Amino acid sequence: KQEVTQIPAALSVPEGENLVLNCSFTDSAIYNLQWFRQDPGKGLTSLLLIQSSQREQTSGRLNASLDKSSGRSTLYIAASQPGDSATYLCAVMNTGFQKLVFGTGTRLLVSP
Amino acid sequence: NAGVTQTPKFQVLKTGQSMTLQCAQDMNHEYMSWYRQDPGMGLRLIHYSVGAGITDQGEVPNGYNVSRSTTEDFPLRLLSAAPSQTSVYFCASSRHGGGLSSYNSPLHFGNGTRLTVT
Repeated sequence: KQEVTQIPAALSVPEGENLVLNCSFTDSAIYNLQWFRQDPGKGLTSLLLIQSSQREQTSGRLNASLDKSSGRSTLYIAASQPGDSATYLCAVMNTGFQKLVFGTGTRLLVSP
Repeated sequence: NAGVTQTPKFQVLKTGQSMTLQCAQDMNHEYMSWYRQDPGMGLRLIHYSVGAGITDQGEVPNGYNVSRSTTEDFPLRLLSAAPSQTSVYFCASSRHGGGLSSYNSPLHFGNGTRLTVT
């Protein structure tokens, strides 16, 4: 059974710092990995999707990498801003295709 | 373009009552799904559908029913509410419903329904 773990559960940094969020998964037979952002009381917003054949994806100040063989992904946020404060979740789609398995998220607080 | 719309935003039920959570999307997405989010447990898939007339169970389907009569709508029915169903419910959709390339389309979420069962 696929299990997705995100460490740390919470992270607090000062504005301007570069930071890395970690995601690990137990079964490397994945089709893709997705990173989401969730603001309090809101739904999830898709940030980046990395296909299993890709190593990384970039969007603005965000860069996500994927190492399928070791079961790891990282989300790199450059020059963090208070507006980046949110919970970040990763999810993997297994090769059965029909569902995403989510981690429990990392709550990020960026202080001015 | 409203995306994924969920109603109601909040609901309080008594044990044994039934209700329907509504979900509608205007993106012509084939795939729709329902998740519940509980503290410390992440999001868990309840039911999903890959197109009108097709539904299937996810990880935690017991106590819930779904139907998909149109591409746009995917309601979730609680048959007899229990306190264990207190949670935040999210509906999500994506373009995929067939063909390998379509599975690499991101999931779009509604803003959720916060349900309390007393």
